[in-house]
Order: sequence, then C-alpha cells, then structure tokens
Amino acid sequence: EIVLTQSPGTVSLSPGERATVSCRASQSVINNYLAWYQQRPGQAPRLLIQAASTRAAGTPDRFSGSGSGTDFTLTIDGLQSEDFAVYFCQQYGSSPRTFGQGTALEIK
Amino acid sequence: QVQLQQSGPGLVKPSETLSLNCTVSGVSLTIGYWTWVRQPPGKGLEWIGHVHHSGTANYNPSLMGRITMSLDTSMSQFSLTLHSVTTADTALYYCARGSGWYPSWGQGALVTVSS
Repeated sequence: EIVLTQSPGTVSLSPGERATVSCRASQSVINNYLAWYQQRPGQAPRLLIQAASTRAAGTPDRFSGSGSGTDFTLTIDGLQSEDFAVYFCQQYGSSPRTFGQGTALEIK
Repeated sequence: QVQLQQSGPGLVKPSETLSLNCTVSGVSLTIGYWTWVRQPPGKGLEWIGHVHHSGTANYNPSLMGRITMSLDTSMSQFSLTLHSVTTADTALYYCARGSGWYPSWGQGALVTVSS
C-alpha cells in the first residue's frame, strides 16, 4: 500500500500568513489522484481539493493544491481564523486508499 | 443536497459484531460507490472499504475476513458489519459518498469496544 507522510506534524502561524503542508508518497500516485481534507474539532472531514489541484465545490480560492508523482503540497494564502484545523492528504489512485497522518495548523 | 445520516450502537463487547448503517438522502444509492472510513481517538483516518450499488465491494486488506459491506436501495441505506472486534476497533466511524475522493460525509458514530 502507498504510505503518505505529511510534514510538518504541527505548524503555528498567525492569521494572514501563508501555510504550506507537504504530503510525500512512498510510491508514485497514479494519475495524481490525491485529495486534501480539512477537519475541524468534532466535525467530519471536509473535501478541499481533488486530483491534486482541483478545488472542490465551495472551497475558497485561498486554498490551492500542487504537485505530482510522489510530492504534493497544500497552500493556504492569507490564513483566516476558520482555517486553523487539521489537514489530511489522501490518495485514491490505488487500493487500499490511504491517508496521511495529518497536519495540525495552530494559531500562533 | 446530499446528506448521510449514521446510526448504530455506541458500545460493542470484545469478540462480538459491530454493525453500522448509513442512510442517504438527496441522491440515489444506485449511483456510484459508498465508503466507510474510521478514526481512532486522537489519530488519523483509515479507509475501511467501499461498496458499489451492484453489491461489489473492496475492503482494506488489514480487515479482510472480518468485514462485510452491503446496500439496501429500497431503504437508501448502506451498512458495515465488522466481526470479532477488539479494543483496536474502537474508533469514530464515518460513512462517505464516493470511491476516490469523498465530497459528502456522515456525522460520524463513535463505537467503543469494551466489556
């Protein structure tokens, strides 16, 4: 199975700053089938990005995804208070589907 | 608007069977795939498997042999059954729509395995 490793595990930033989350795969993700999710405390994950860079319906344009092969990045420009949450990457190019361990974005 | 509503017992004894249901509204269960994901307390997400409206299912190998997924299109409901549970199966269980990326999720159901 493909192992996804996210970095950093935790990042502390201030509102208005840019956040960058990395997701590295143990092998190439087929067709760059990689998604990003946001999870706030007590809530289900919310899809942000699919196919590495396509924003899901309702995802603000301050969220962007990039990358290919084994290296992917989620960038959040101009952090807002509601963006402080946990972020997960997930690959769906092969089975079993797998998730990264998560990156916690905290307010500095 | 697609909505998924989960139901099932919150407490299961070790070695017994965990059963969860997910009722779907806003879209037909005969379209596409339906997925289960779980999250142990304070940990990350684990894909359990998905089931197609035809009944074909694909499971995580780590759970193979203990798991069954099914659908009841007349009730707009799909189900997860996990046999011979242990404390390692304690988690928040989510149902979701899709087989690749998941745009719609249930609210989550905490299942605790304890005697």
